[in-house]
Amino acid sequence: KAGVTQTPRYLIKTRGQQVTLSCSPISGHRSVSWYQQTPGQGLQFLFEYFSETQRNKGNFPGRFSGRQFSNSRSEMNVSTLELGDSALYLCASSLDRTVDEKLFFGSGTQLSVL
Amino acid sequence: GQQLNQSPQSMFIQEGEDVSMNCTSSSIFNTWLWYKQDPGEGPVLLIALYKAGELTSNGRLTAQFGITRKDSFLNISASIPSDVGIYFCAGQQGNTPLVFGKGTRLSVIA
Repeated sequence: KAGVTQTPRYLIKTRGQQVTLSCSPISGHRSVSWYQQTPGQGLQFLFEYFSETQRNKGNFPGRFSGRQFSNSRSEMNVSTLELGDSALYLCASSLDRTVDEKLFFGSGTQLSVL
Repeated sequence: GQQLNQSPQSMFIQEGEDVSMNCTSSSIFNTWLWYKQDPGEGPVLLIALYKAGELTSNGRLTAQFGITRKDSFLNISASIPSDVGIYFCAGQQGNTPLVFGKGTRLSVIA
């Protein structure tokens, strides 16, 4: 069974640009969560989607948005990039997080904002 | 918001030694999870705990869900070089998202 797939693995952008990251969950998993990981702050929750609906949202500005498609694939978008957005963005999937909390992570997208 | 205090922040140990790390919270959790992250990769689930007092093993790893439901520990016995990485605890309460500790960075000296 294929794991969680995130694309691209690396991205370099400049301030003010926008970026879209993609995540394909494990087959059969319907819940997708996104986390931002930085050395100083650890893993910070961004949002969670289930059945194309945002079920939870973390404490991030509106520049961070996401969506989920009918096949459970998810994308997150960051607009008007800032230097502080440089981080590893991790996607995690689970069957249904409210029933089984085990999250399975992808390898992440390393975003560098110059 | 909920916070997890994970300690120690880093450890340097000799190969073959046992390792112990823990997480504490000011809030009660229903679930505790332990993850390991290798450089350039996402965290990988090691152990999941669902009941207060539960003690679960996975090979050389043993984790316990504290009786108060506010803490958990992870032990690694007879460490080997491939144990190097960052270990994260994560807790969950109700339908809220998982909250992660800031990690324990483990270095093993051969």
